[in-house]
Amino acid sequence: KAGVTQTPRYLIKTRGQQVTLSCSPISGHRSVSWYQQTPGQGLQFLFEYFSETQRNKGNFPGRFSGRQFSNSRSEMNVSTLELGDSALYLCASSLGPRDRGLDGYTFGSGTRLTVV
Amino acid sequence: AQSVTQLGSHVSVSEGALVLLRCNYSSSVPPYLFWYVQYPNQGLQLLLKYTTGATLVKGINGFEAEFKKSETSFHLTKPSAHMSDAAEYFCAVSLNTGGFKTIFGAGTRLFVKA
Repeated sequence: KAGVTQTPRYLIKTRGQQVTLSCSPISGHRSVSWYQQTPGQGLQFLFEYFSETQRNKGNFPGRFSGRQFSNSRSEMNVSTLELGDSALYLCASSLGPRDRGLDGYTFGSGTRLTVV
Repeated sequence: AQSVTQLGSHVSVSEGALVLLRCNYSSSVPPYLFWYVQYPNQGLQLLLKYTTGATLVKGINGFEAEFKKSETSFHLTKPSAHMSDAAEYFCAVSLNTGGFKTIFGAGTRLFVKA
């Protein structure tokens, strides 16, 4: 079966711009979580969506937002980009929030965002 | 507070040598424990997991880990390193605190010398 698909793989944006990243989970998975990965901070949880509702949110400013569609695909948006937003953004899917605890995540390959 | 500590940000072993990557956790509730591997420019891939039952769990690529409650540890081992094992490894804890919360360690980069 197809894995978790993240698009685009690479992005270069200018400070002040906004960006939208997309994630298509594994078929049948209804929970999508987003993580930011940087060399200095490691993996930091952004938010989790299940059944089109945000279930959990990490400690990121309001410039970071997301949504989930009825087909479980998810998008995250970052507005007013800052240099520090440069990172690998990872999407992870699971059947549901409970299954994340039992079965772990399936991750996509990530979107590498560079802000210049 | 719940946390995950991986001892050693970098570990270097020779090909054929034992691989030991250390992970300790802090949790007030029974944890579910995971090891993930990340190759360059890739996402994380689940290596193995402990939820309940047998404390020694086997994963893919010859890796295994043992859950030791008394030591709050979940160290990852492989008897004989291969060049293809060079990657970054993450220990993670998933806690049911009314809803599952997953915490990742900072990661350990494994180098394998020929």
